[in-house]
Amino acid sequence: AQSVAQPEDQVNVAEGNPLTVKCTYSVSGNPYLFWYVQYPNRGLQFLLKYITGDNLVKGSYGFEAEFNKSQTSFHLKKPSALVSDSALYFCAVRAEGGSQGNLIFGKGTKLSVKP
Amino acid sequence: GAGVSQTPSNKVTEKGKYVELRCDPISGHTALYWYRQSLGQGPEFLIYFQGTGAADDSGLPNDRFFAVRPEGSVSTLKIQRTERGDSAVYLCASSLRQEAFSGANVLTFGAGSRLTVL
Repeated sequence: AQSVAQPEDQVNVAEGNPLTVKCTYSVSGNPYLFWYVQYPNRGLQFLLKYITGDNLVKGSYGFEAEFNKSQTSFHLKKPSALVSDSALYFCAVRAEGGSQGNLIFGKGTKLSVKP
Repeated sequence: GAGVSQTPSNKVTEKGKYVELRCDPISGHTALYWYRQSLGQGPEFLIYFQGTGAADDSGLPNDRFFAVRPEGSVSTLKIQRTERGDSAVYLCASSLRQEAFSGANVLTFGAGSRLTVL
């Protein structure tokens, strides 16, 4: 069965410091991996995806994520956090060859960036 | 439209009642998705349309849940005999046909319809 784990319910970071939001996955075959962000009272927004190719993926708002096949991880990173990055972050996975529409989401990690 | 529009934004109903939730996707997006998000959880897949047909309805929890997309644009999620456990935010998303088939799955989500069953 496919699954996604986000081991931290909350991550607290000081503004200007680097941030990491962790994600590990379990899927049969090659994974398609995604990060989405949810701001209060707004819909989820796409940040970045890994389908194939370079393991380091760059996305919106200065975020990047590194695909690590041996550790089955896809951690989200940003070199310098902003207060406006505070939101709920979701990792999602789909198996290659699996249903096109069926993304498996993690429970989410709340990122809090303090000034 | 400019984004995915969902109505109503908030719906309170009594146990046993029938509910309809509407989704208006981005113009030109042929793929449409319904997800459900319970408190403290990530979105959970319900059903996916490609055009007018349901390409994957494996996430619908039981036969009280049904969704239609008769003209390949607007979709309605229908819940019969609502139960308290159906309380959640129901999310609709859409994507381009090409993206859906390539596996890129860049979904654009609406703000959701919050359903509360008393």
